[in-house]
Amino acid sequence: QVQQWGTGLLKPSETLSLYCGVDAESFNTFPYNWIRLTPGKGLEWIGIINHSGGTLYNPSFTGRLTLSVDKSTNHFSLRLTSVTAADSGFYYCAKVSSLASPARMDLWGTGTAVTVS
Amino acid sequence: QSLLTQPPSVSAAPGQTVSISCSGRTYLIDYDHMCWYQHFPGTEPKPLIVDSTERPAGIPDRFSVSKSAMSATLIISGLQAGDEADYYCAAWHPGLNTVVFGGGSRLTVL
Repeated sequence: QVQQWGTGLLKPSETLSLYCGVDAESFNTFPYNWIRLTPGKGLEWIGIINHSGGTLYNPSFTGRLTLSVDKSTNHFSLRLTSVTAADSGFYYCAKVSSLASPARMDLWGTGTAVTVS
Repeated sequence: QSLLTQPPSVSAAPGQTVSISCSGRTYLIDYDHMCWYQHFPGTEPKPLIVDSTERPAGIPDRFSVSKSAMSATLIISGLQAGDEADYYCAAWHPGLNTVVFGGGSRLTVL
């Protein structure tokens, strides 16, 4: 199971903070993607993180995005600074089930709705 | 503009077969592990096809993929009203170290 929580309503220029909690076995075995769905743009990959804190980011978010991990509580975090209305949408955390393909995600969180207004 | 191109919309009547294409703009994408996701608004996306042509457990064989060098086509046969959703292709781009999604195709069952 993938549980998500975080701030859903922000003003422009504020910082978005989202969290993704998973079971210990999955946390230590699989990396997790952050994906967002924005109006008119469809699904967009934000970045990927593993339990060691290794990350890859979508260059579109360079300078604004930080993905991090809390090993004591088996959760991942997303921090996106200087948000604008274009960052409004649904944000998902999803388990990557194949190390050969980061695009293969077999378990998704229910998503967090984010509105910047 | 996405590196994977899909038609914005497709439609067909119940019982018919519909195809949704996903064409790549570069050979650098990992087409051998392309995935397809089905998304109903208000829910999380669901994997429909993984590793190019494989169906996860529980996905009916009405869903299949035909692939070529730099493209893939999702084929849905015996169309049902419950298939009305958005469909996305996705793949890993090892050169850019990013996951790329197609723009998504909205399927309307007439």
